[in-house]
Amino acid sequence: GAVVSQHPSRVICKSGTSVKIECRSLDFQATTMFWYRQFPKQSLMLMATSNEGSKATYEQGVEKDKFLINHASLTLSTLTVTSAHPEDSSFYICSARGPQSSYEQYFGPGTRLTVT
Amino acid sequence: GQNIDQPTEMTATEGAIVQINCTYQTSGFNGLFWYQQHAGEAPTFLSYNVLDGLEEKGRFSSFLSRSKGYSYLLLKELQMKDSASYLCAVVDSNYQLIWGAGTKLIIKP
Repeated sequence: GAVVSQHPSRVICKSGTSVKIECRSLDFQATTMFWYRQFPKQSLMLMATSNEGSKATYEQGVEKDKFLINHASLTLSTLTVTSAHPEDSSFYICSARGPQSSYEQYFGPGTRLTVT
Repeated sequence: GQNIDQPTEMTATEGAIVQINCTYQTSGFNGLFWYQQHAGEAPTFLSYNVLDGLEEKGRFSSFLSRSKGYSYLLLKELQMKDSASYLCAVVDSNYQLIWGAGTKLIIKP
């Protein structure tokens, strides 16, 4: 149980275009989801916390107009990278707070974004 | 401020035992997680400690001392597949996960 999927797993896009990444909780309802970014050989960096039905809470330094987060249902959150640039190339990982209301986070497999 | 400290990198030999330490200073404490992350993959859950003491799960054990703000992950009978980064994360008073930078564990034959 507590499976989280992410789509796509890899995406290559041209500079200036937008990319949408989907995060789904497959067998449980997730009122809270998290979006992380991880650069090579670095640790996870929390970008934002997404709560179903409300606006996402962004971490300091993360541009909310550039990284649009929508959590319209209890099983789906999306991250849209708008006007992507090469420096946005990274590994984007979503997670969902577990169904038992523990503070454990179940992670999706991640999305490798490459902006050319 | 909130702080989680782990060694950046450790090296161990296949078949041996290794202990990865984590110290923390956070606003409140509601538990500590250890996650394993292989290169290019998402983290996977290893353990959760909220009470003092040792929790054993197969080859992996996790220890917590709340009074010392200290935890360790103990890996026994190391296998090559254990080469990964190990992330320590603490749940603070706001029930948010505060992440350490991770410890890269290199296993040598």
